Amino acid sequence: ILNVEQSPQSLHVQEGDSTNFTCSFPSSNFYALHWYRWETAKSPEALFVMTLNGDEKKKGRISATLNTKEGYSYLYIKGSQPEDSATYLCAFHQMYSGGGADGLTFGKGTHLIIQP
Amino acid sequence: DTEVTQTPKHLVMGMTNKKSLKCEQHMGHRAMYWYKQKAKKPPELMFVYSYEKLSINESVPSRFSPECPNSSLLNLHLHALQPEDSALYLCASSQRSGGVEQFFGPGTRLTVL
Repeated sequence: ILNVEQSPQSLHVQEGDSTNFTCSFPSSNFYALHWYRWETAKSPEALFVMTLNGDEKKKGRISATLNTKEGYSYLYIKGSQPEDSATYLCAFHQMYSGGGADGLTFGKGTHLIIQP
Repeated sequence: DTEVTQTPKHLVMGMTNKKSLKCEQHMGHRAMYWYKQKAKKPPELMFVYSYEKLSINESVPSRFSPECPNSSLLNLHLHALQPEDSALYLCASSQRSGGVEQFFGPGTRLTVL
């Protein structure tokens, strides 16, 4: 069983403040690390797919970093807005030696609430 | 069309019923997935299809029967379910296997009475 942990479980942030949260994952058999944003009653929305140690990716006010050697990734949100309120999920993609498609192992998510 | 659609959105069924969940994508993706998410837990992988062939079954009970009739369509046939099978069932697709973005549908909320 793969252990993918996210912290904190929930976070209340004032509008305009910046915030970050963590995903830890196994440091062996790494293939990729995914970040998703999930609003209630909607489809999970892919934010980033990160594959290389030291990767930094950015989409607007959201950015992410990756450390595959120590098994962690950070997601940063700069200048939080109410529309950033959602659950942020990370998912570990294990190297699959047998070929073919494989699935993701998700963390429990960080539930982010932005307070106006 | 960059969407994965799932029908129905909600389903209530008895333990003796037979029902099916449907997932569709028209992005030309060749890998499709079923995940199950119970309350306050992360989504868990159930099945993976690659090029319309079942490539992964994560020890799912036989009361769940997946089917991939063509590259755009993925079904999950349900029979003799238990109340503990009540969950959100998510479908996803990706262009190919391994290391690429998976696109998710909104899910089907299943309640088993």
